[in-house]
Amino acid sequence: DGGITQSPKYLFRKEGQNVTLSCEQNLNHDAMYWYRQDPGQGLRLIYYSQIVNDFQKGDIAEGYSVSREKKESFPLTVTSAQKNPTAFYLCASSWVGQATYEQYFGPGTRLTVT
Amino acid sequence: SQQGEEDPQALSIQEGENATMNCSYKTSINNLQWYRQNSGRGLVHLILIRSNEREKHSGRLRVTLDTSKKSSSLLITASRAADTASYFCASIYSGAGSYQLTFGKGTKLSVIP
Repeated sequence: DGGITQSPKYLFRKEGQNVTLSCEQNLNHDAMYWYRQDPGQGLRLIYYSQIVNDFQKGDIAEGYSVSREKKESFPLTVTSAQKNPTAFYLCASSWVGQATYEQYFGPGTRLTVT
Repeated sequence: SQQGEEDPQALSIQEGENATMNCSYKTSINNLQWYRQNSGRGLVHLILIRSNEREKHSGRLRVTLDTSKKSSSLLITASRAADTASYFCASIYSGAGSYQLTFGKGTKLSVIP
């Protein structure tokens, strides 16, 4: 069963703690993406990676970090430097090179920091 | 911000009516895509229109693209209660080693049975 998975679905953390969100895909996609979604704001790109061991900052990368050690995995760490981390986080993946970049999304992780 | 804009932000219609959502974007594009998001879930790709196309159909969906106005519209015909969701456009530009994908803020559609 192919797809993209995110875990956990809900995550609660205390302010000042780093937290890592998981994203795994078995679609053999080259590119993976992290988005943040706030009410009324749509999706904003945090980081993306088009190849293993390489990634690029998106529009709102400050306070976040990523790694891409395996093609299948693209974990996102929300650091204590992120001033307003409570949000819905979406991971996506796509093919590269077809100039379509149709994205396949995971179910999302809702992070609440108090 | 490079985000595009959808219009309207929210739309409420009766089942059976048509729903039209508009999207504007800011830069040159290779293609434009529309996605659907049910509440609290991930996005699902609906339809893609390339920059050299003006109109595309898929089932009850009709998408138009006007590159001179940097705008697109999504029409859902004969709406159903199950169409209730948020709809997002995403403009894609890629070339010369660069890549940019920008989502709009979405239109929240409510279809009343």
